[in-house]
Amino acid sequence: QSVLTQPPSVSGAPGQRVTISCTGSSSNIGAGYDVHWYQQLPGTAPKLLIYGNSNRPSGVPDRFSGSKSGTSASLAITGLQAEDEADYYCQSYDSSLSGCYVFGTGTKVTVL
Amino acid sequence: QVQLQESGPGLVKPSETLSLTCAVSGYSISSGYYWGWIRQPPGKGLEWIGSIYHSGSTYYNPSLKSRVTISVDTSKNQFSLKLSSVTAADTAVYYCARRSSGSSGYPYWGQGTLVTVSS
Repeated sequence: QSVLTQPPSVSGAPGQRVTISCTGSSSNIGAGYDVHWYQQLPGTAPKLLIYGNSNRPSGVPDRFSGSKSGTSASLAITGLQAEDEADYYCQSYDSSLSGCYVFGTGTKVTVL
Repeated sequence: QVQLQESGPGLVKPSETLSLTCAVSGYSISSGYYWGWIRQPPGKGLEWIGSIYHSGSTYYNPSLKSRVTISVDTSKNQFSLKLSSVTAADTAVYYCARRSSGSSGYPYWGQGTLVTVSS
């Protein structure tokens, strides 16, 4: 039972822009805790895409961008490519119930 | 380059204790950072289990806290997970990972190991 809610799926044609939302509450994103985003290709470990709300690790294309506002965060993928088809997860910290790192419910991105 | 590798039994009987080890190469655990465990049931999302700071301080998911123990062995440069009284609901791919702070996310992950709980 994740406290961060994401849409189950989003889709787009190659070259298009898609966004994935991550909705939290006042005990996690709304409390100011950072949001991170991961990409998980089938059968592989998650890969860090965005850290600290909007920062890209070295090697991550600038097609990926993150933002945060209030109790929500978003991941945008511009110029969608076939290789972007994967599961995406947001992550933050929740201060309720003694504190815990939490992941979003996950979003499957399909390239049409 | 930091590398993490999980190891342990792939099959555990119900009510027994699941034990996994994460061997770290390319970085000395005693030098710093947080070392954690994350799991993913088949076809489902990610769940943070807990983490340990290089000094030995531990942080656990409240929903698992009564059953989880994470420890570090700096002499072998590895850290371990023990999850007691397992049930079928604990069947998952278990990943070990490293983060530097709350603002860093987890940039380093092991490849994951599937643990099945079944008699």
